[in-house]
Amino acid sequence: GAGVSQSPSNKVTEKGKDVELRCDPISGHTALYWYRQSLGQGLEFLIYFQGNSAPDKSGLPSDRFSAERTGGSVSTLTIQRTQQEDSAVYLCASSLLRAQYFGPGTRLLVL
Amino acid sequence: TQLLEQSPQFLSIQEGENLTVYCNSSSVFSSLQWYRQEPGEGPVLLVTVVTGGEVKKLKRLTFQFGDARKDSSLHITAAQPGDTGLYLCAGGDNAGNMLTFGGGTRLMVKP
Repeated sequence: GAGVSQSPSNKVTEKGKDVELRCDPISGHTALYWYRQSLGQGLEFLIYFQGNSAPDKSGLPSDRFSAERTGGSVSTLTIQRTQQEDSAVYLCASSLLRAQYFGPGTRLLVL
Repeated sequence: TQLLEQSPQFLSIQEGENLTVYCNSSSVFSSLQWYRQEPGEGPVLLVTVVTGGEVKKLKRLTFQFGDARKDSSLHITAAQPGDTGLYLCAGGDNAGNMLTFGGGTRLMVKP
């Protein structure tokens, strides 16, 4: 079956521009997570959606970061006024129970 | 704040050698998951352990959850080049929804 997909695969942008990253979770998965991973490092939690509940935004590093999940499915992570320190791989995962299934990530480079 | 520390951070060994990766915390977790991530891809779940003292084997990989559910280890027997990758441990909260990831162990197995 189809796994978690993310787009774009790679994004190069200029400092100060806004970017939108998309995540298509596995159909039927109620939970959706966004993480950030710096080169070769562990995962930094950003935001968590569970069903129709209010999202857990406790991991968002600044108010430049926001995310939406429409219709309990597709999610978009938006970074406004990008900074060079935002450069990283942004990973999305979906889950039905305990295990999380990850997409391939979006590699963001802010010049 | 729950933290998970992995050691070693980097490990380079020859094919056929054995190795152990450690994941330690001062916090108790309801479950412990191990993921493996290859370059350009998202992490893939290897195993979930939930009971203190639990041992699970997956071919040449042996996973152990500490009695107090604060630590875990991954042992690989007769490592192969295909085992190369980033190994991540992740501790689950009581609800089983949120994961705290360790910093990862980057393993390279040379032929």
